[in-house]
Amino acid sequence: AQSVAQPEDQVNVAEGNPLTVKCTYSVSGNPYLFWYVQYPNRGLQFLLKYITGDNLVKGSYGFEAEFNKSQTSFHLKKPSALVSDSALYFCAVRDPGTGRRALTFGSGTRLQVQP
Amino acid sequence: EAGVAQSPRYKIIEKRQSVAFWCNPISGHATLYWYQQILGQGPKLLIQFQNNGVVDDSQLPKDRFSAERLKGVDSTLKIQPAKLEDSAVYLCASSLRGGRSTYNEQFFGPGTRLTVL
Repeated sequence: AQSVAQPEDQVNVAEGNPLTVKCTYSVSGNPYLFWYVQYPNRGLQFLLKYITGDNLVKGSYGFEAEFNKSQTSFHLKKPSALVSDSALYFCAVRDPGTGRRALTFGSGTRLQVQP
Repeated sequence: EAGVAQSPRYKIIEKRQSVAFWCNPISGHATLYWYQQILGQGPKLLIQFQNNGVVDDSQLPKDRFSAERLKGVDSTLKIQPAKLEDSAVYLCASSLRGGRSTYNEQFFGPGTRLTVL
């Protein structure tokens, strides 16, 4: 069965500093990995995905994530945080080797960027 | 391009009552998903449709939950009767049709927040 772990409930960072939101996964085959962001009273918004190829993927709003197969991780990063980045972030995985096409989400990490 | 539409946005009911949620996906999206997001948790898939057929309903509590997508466009999710633990946000998402080894991005609606008293 596929699963995702987000070990931090909340991450606090000062505006202008780099940020990292951690994610580790477990699948039987090669994973498809995703990051979504959720703002209050709004639906999930897609940030970026890793399907295959370059381990460093770039997404929306200056975010990027690095796929590390040996550590089974897919951490979300941004070089310089903005107050407007404050939101709830979800990592998700799909195992294309199974017949299941839907995503399995982590429990989420709340990012708080202080001015 | 219009996004995924859901209604109502909020619903408060008492336990043992029935409730229905509606979702209209992005035009042309063959795949539709219903997720349940309990406070403090990530979304959990309830059911996935490809056109008007069910692809995955393995995590749908079928004794009380039902869903349909009769014409392959909009969809309804029903709970009958509701329990306290059904309090959650119900998210609808849609995507273009994808194969087993391809991925099309899922677009999410704003969700329906259900409170069961």
